[in-house]
Amino acid sequence: NAGVTQTPKFRILKIGQSMTLQCTQDMNHNYMYWYRQDPGMGLKLIYYSVGAGITDKGEVPNGYNVSRSTTEDFPLRLELAAPSQTSVYFCATTWGGQGNSPLHFGNGTRLTVT
Amino acid sequence: AQTVTQSQPEMSVQEAETVTLSCTYDTSESDYYLFWYKQPPSRQMILVIRQEAYKQQNATENRFSVNFQKAAKSFSLKISDSQLGDAAMYFCAYTPSQGGSEKLVFGKGTKLTVNP
Repeated sequence: NAGVTQTPKFRILKIGQSMTLQCTQDMNHNYMYWYRQDPGMGLKLIYYSVGAGITDKGEVPNGYNVSRSTTEDFPLRLELAAPSQTSVYFCATTWGGQGNSPLHFGNGTRLTVT
Repeated sequence: AQTVTQSQPEMSVQEAETVTLSCTYDTSESDYYLFWYKQPPSRQMILVIRQEAYKQQNATENRFSVNFQKAAKSFSLKISDSQLGDAAMYFCAYTPSQGGSEKLVFGKGTKLTVNP
């Protein structure tokens, strides 16, 4: 049981390049989330999904896109990378929509844009 | 907007001793959930403990306990008998009971060092 798997672990991009951060879960959770963690800061929500085919913006969605074609996968797309997107990205899932259901996190992707 | 404040960027504790990490939050809601998450050097975020605001009893999980003061909007984490494996970043988080994890707000974190 792998839980939440993120790939890649590290990536360096040049300004203007694009890439997709992958997130896969095998827990059959409906709810999935993408966060970014900047140095010295807490996590901020980028996008989330309450089920296959349904996505919605979080607090900091600009410069990102997501899709949710299956329950298992929730990729995050950066179209035109900018230095401001240098951060650690976390995917997370939870079983329920209520606030008391704990999040299960992946190990993160460290992205540097130069 | 709800905010979560962790006033201690760094803390240190001797192995086997007790340490308390502070967290305050601002909300106009009466019903909500509070969490402490641990982020070790491996980077993965792990839930440590959860508190439901309507419960007056403080949550405990083995060596981890909280002091929840609803009127003061304070939610501190106490780690007893500290172990080297407790060294990590600790994040306090809040979410209103109406709405799910998309409303989760994190503090900036406290880095805990455990000295042998």
